[in-house]
Amino acid sequence: GQQLNQSPQSMFIQEGEDVSMNCTSSSIFNTWLWYKQDPGEGPVLLIALYKAGELTSNGRLTAQFGITRKDSFLNISASIPSDVGIYFCAGSSGTYKYIFGTGTRLKVLA
Amino acid sequence: DTAVSQTPKYLVTQMGNDKSIKCEQNLGHDTMYWYKQDSKKFLKIMFSYNNKELIINETVPNRFSPKSPDKAHLNLHINSLELGDSAVYFCASSQTISEQYFGPGTRLTVT
Repeated sequence: GQQLNQSPQSMFIQEGEDVSMNCTSSSIFNTWLWYKQDPGEGPVLLIALYKAGELTSNGRLTAQFGITRKDSFLNISASIPSDVGIYFCAGSSGTYKYIFGTGTRLKVLA
Repeated sequence: DTAVSQTPKYLVTQMGNDKSIKCEQNLGHDTMYWYKQDSKKFLKIMFSYNNKELIINETVPNRFSPKSPDKAHLNLHINSLELGDSAVYFCASSQTISEQYFGPGTRLTVT
């Protein structure tokens, strides 16, 4: 099945650093969602984006809906140890079906 | 006040058996989904129901049969389990095509 490309695949960062990750698609999407998954748990919705160019924040997290509608970005500022986990993007072209990204595995070094 | 719940959390069974996973949501959503997450953490949609009607049916073996008795419940029955069915299965729900909320997952191990 189709999957979105997420970059980077994994990253180690120091506590306090800012983190950036992105998601790219060959298709145009109308909605982008960003999730975080902790080990042994289900994905938790972080941010939803509905409009090209939209920039939305949730605490230390900021996500943007790319102007081309084929990409989205997630930034985490001043990372802390509990930010560790797998971050997924998901895109929809206006249907019930969301395509998920391959995930970015984040590890924070205290 | 769990939003999306699944039972069981863990399921260990032998090849050839038939098993069911149950999902319930108390968010008042009209759409529910089943996803499969493999060992590489790839999430793939399997089925979706909107108001008890099947609206998404991806290329899934017909040994997998979803059933939605009402808008708040979506169950997944799997016949003749195979080793390759081992994975984590997630239920999710949404109100129409908006944000999806996931359950805690059911880890299925087929031996």
